[in-house]
Amino acid sequence: ELKVEQNPLFLSMQEGKNYTIYCNYSTTSDRLYWYRQDPGKSLESLFVLLSNGAVKQEGRLMASLDTKARLSTLHITAAVHDLSATYFCAWGVSGNQFYFGTGTSLTVIP
Amino acid sequence: SAVISQKPSRDICQRGTSLTIQCQVDSQVTMMFWYRQQPGQSLTLIATANQGSEATYESGFVIDKFPISRPNLTFSTLTVSNMSPEDSSIYLCSVEQGRVDTQYFGPGTRLTVL
Repeated sequence: ELKVEQNPLFLSMQEGKNYTIYCNYSTTSDRLYWYRQDPGKSLESLFVLLSNGAVKQEGRLMASLDTKARLSTLHITAAVHDLSATYFCAWGVSGNQFYFGTGTSLTVIP
Repeated sequence: SAVISQKPSRDICQRGTSLTIQCQVDSQVTMMFWYRQQPGQSLTLIATANQGSEATYESGFVIDKFPISRPNLTFSTLTVSNMSPEDSSIYLCSVEQGRVDTQYFGPGTRLTVL
């Protein structure tokens, strides 16, 4: 069975703190994606990770991929309120199908 | 990235009726995807739509309930048929673009069935 699990499901953190969101997937993947969704809005593409050891960074967010462990992480550095959103990882397989994780709802508290 | 629009943006419908959602892309794309996002949940792929062929449905979704059209490379429709309150969800279309096959999403259609 294909599974993409994220943890935590809910995350409340103070501004200025660091935290990591974890994404585990159940089988071999071609590609791992991270998306952001603001309340009432659609999904915004953040990162695409294509190979073992890949690391991408944009501002306070950094994503990495370990294909051997079937694990991707999204690290948040010195969180600010604007990062409050729901973050989804998605695992891509051949044939262009995406399977989305459960999502992590992040709230950054001033 | 592609600019994707959906119509309607939201609707409130009566049980037993059907609603057709339109998805328009500003460039030609081979594959379009339809997802459902139930309140507070993740996204679930309903089907993949290629131009000129029958849509491919995921497990748990059938053509009679969710017929899809893909008449050209910039447009697709999803119909939610014989609706029940359990169909209340956000329906999103997406397209795949770029060298790394990223999917880009439309703004979604928020459907409430009474």
